[in-house]
Amino acid sequence: GAGVSQTPSNKVTEKGKYVELRCDPISGHTALYWYRQSLGQGPEFLIYFQGTGAADDSGLPNDRFFAVRPEGSVSTLKIQRTERGDSAVYLCASSLGPGDEQYFGPGTRLTVT
Amino acid sequence: KNEVEQSPQNLTAQEGEFITINCSYSVGISALHWLQQHPGGGIVSLFMLSSGKKKHGRLIATINIQEKHSSLHITASHPRDSAVYICAVDSYNTDKLIFGTGTRLQVFP
Repeated sequence: GAGVSQTPSNKVTEKGKYVELRCDPISGHTALYWYRQSLGQGPEFLIYFQGTGAADDSGLPNDRFFAVRPEGSVSTLKIQRTERGDSAVYLCASSLGPGDEQYFGPGTRLTVT
Repeated sequence: KNEVEQSPQNLTAQEGEFITINCSYSVGISALHWLQQHPGGGIVSLFMLSSGKKKHGRLIATINIQEKHSSLHITASHPRDSAVYICAVDSYNTDKLIFGTGTRLQVFP
């Protein structure tokens, strides 16, 4: 069956612009996670959804970052007023439920120029 | 100090060698994951374990809960094993993964 998909695969944007990154989880997975991976580093947690609600958003670095999952499936990570430091690979993962094995998407490579 | 630490950071090997990557963690966990990331690629889950040992093909993962330590072993390594191997833990108090910084493995023919 289909795995986790993310679009776009690459995004280049200018400093100050707004971007949206999309994640399509595996069908039936109630838990969805966003992570950010900077070059040479391991991924860092951003936000976790259980169903439609954000169960833990403690990893969002500041209020320029926001994520939604309005129908409990697809999620969008939104970044306002992008900064060069936001450049990273943004990874999405989903799991059947909290604590279950997470399946990762291919990531979106964001470059802010 | 990071909550999850891996060693070595970089590892090179000749094809056929036995490889060990280590992971130590400082938090209470419900499970530990070993993940594989190829250059430019997404992340693939190799193992999820909470005790003992698991084996899949040439890969073996072990965990010692008392010592808060896990190892990933690759037997008869092959150039296609070249990738970054990441250790991550499910901490008791949260549902999020805490990641190590990864071990970059290069296997030469």
